[in-house]
Amino acid sequence: DIQMTQSPSSLSASVGQRVTITCRASQDIGYSLAWYQHKPGRAPNLLVYATSSLKTGVSSRFSASGSGTHYTLTISSLQAEDSATYYCQQYYSSPYIFGLGTKLEIK
Amino acid sequence: EEQLVESGGGLVKPGGSLRLSCVASGFTFSDHNINWVRQAPGKGLEWVSSITFSGSYINYADSVKGRFSISRDNAKKSLYLQMDSLRLEDTATYYCAREGGPSTGDAFDLWGQGTMVTVSS
Repeated sequence: DIQMTQSPSSLSASVGQRVTITCRASQDIGYSLAWYQHKPGRAPNLLVYATSSLKTGVSSRFSASGSGTHYTLTISSLQAEDSATYYCQQYYSSPYIFGLGTKLEIK
Repeated sequence: EEQLVESGGGLVKPGGSLRLSCVASGFTFSDHNINWVRQAPGKGLEWVSSITFSGSYINYADSVKGRFSISRDNAKKSLYLQMDSLRLEDTATYYCAREGGPSTGDAFDLWGQGTMVTVSS
């Protein structure tokens, strides 16, 4: 099975700052990497698919990149509504493992 | 509006069974692979099972293999998860999630609100 190592596990930043979350796969996942935003009591929300493609309607403050085994999600100009837990997920092969999550706190 | 709505969660004793349902609306259900994903209290997201659009191919996480069974009825636009031999560690909110297909590279682009399953004696 492909394992996903996500870091950091938590993050605290101020409004207006930029943060980056990293995900490493245990093997090449051929750009089949998604990022989700999850707020308590709500359904997870797809932000990015295929490594760097933003889902329609997602703010351009979100950007992502990567290849092979190394992937990143960057959120620029942080807003209060960005407070959430962020997960990476590989969908290259089953089981479709998620990273353990990064809890983002906005100061 | 595209929507997935789960139901069937509840309180069950260890060793018991439960059947979850997920009903789709607003899109062509039979065009999409669908998954179950769960989140235990205080934990992250865990992929549970997937079924292809036709029901021909099915996969399970090792943690539920042999105990859970996924199925679908495209005529009823419904997905099911039969959960048997439930364990304390199966306590979680269960989400159904749609694979978007070519438009979103098979990422999970639509999720339900979840249904809570509590396994407790």
